[in-house]
Amino acid sequence: SQTIHQWPATLVQPVGSPLSLECTVEGTSNPNLYWYRQAAGRGLQLLFYSVGIGQISSEVPQNLSASRPQDRQFILSSKKLLLSDSGFYLCAWSWLGEKLFFGSGTQLSVL
Amino acid sequence: AQRVTQPEKLLSVFKGAPVELKCNYSYSGSPELFWYVQYSRQRLQLLLRHISRESIKGFTADLNKGETSFHLKKPFAQEEDSAMYYCALRSDDKIIFGKGTRLHILP
Repeated sequence: SQTIHQWPATLVQPVGSPLSLECTVEGTSNPNLYWYRQAAGRGLQLLFYSVGIGQISSEVPQNLSASRPQDRQFILSSKKLLLSDSGFYLCAWSWLGEKLFFGSGTQLSVL
Repeated sequence: AQRVTQPEKLLSVFKGAPVELKCNYSYSGSPELFWYVQYSRQRLQLLLRHISRESIKGFTADLNKGETSFHLKKPFAQEEDSAMYYCALRSDDKIIFGKGTRLHILP
């Protein structure tokens, strides 16, 4: 069966520090991969999605970036975090853009 | 531009009463719509999708292209329905969500 792993579960980082959140999927090949940010009152905001290795589509201009170095690995990064980057980050996968399967999320607090 | 609108942040309904969670969308093509649910301390998960035309946990949703709506309905609310509900729209490989509605079932 397929599983999705996302870590860390919580992260506290100072303003200006770098960020790296990792997401991996097991049990499937060539999944579509997604990064969302969940914030109170703003719902689920699509940040990035990828349909293949090295293929990244960005939805929201910001100081975050995403990379897909391997088929089942999706990384969310930042060179310098801002206070406004605080939030709950969710990774998800789907097969050909169908039903989404979500990870357990990362609560990021930028202080 | 694609957009999903859920006008209610919070909906409180008495147990046994009917439930309707509203969802409107903006999309120029033929839409594919979903409802996702997040129960307390659980992961976000798919509840139902319009192309399946199914009923899950007593919930149904009908796509109304004329009104560009995909409202979620249940005739008799149960306490275990309390959760956060998100409407979502798929455009090719992109899947966008509304802001969500918290459903609170009152005893």
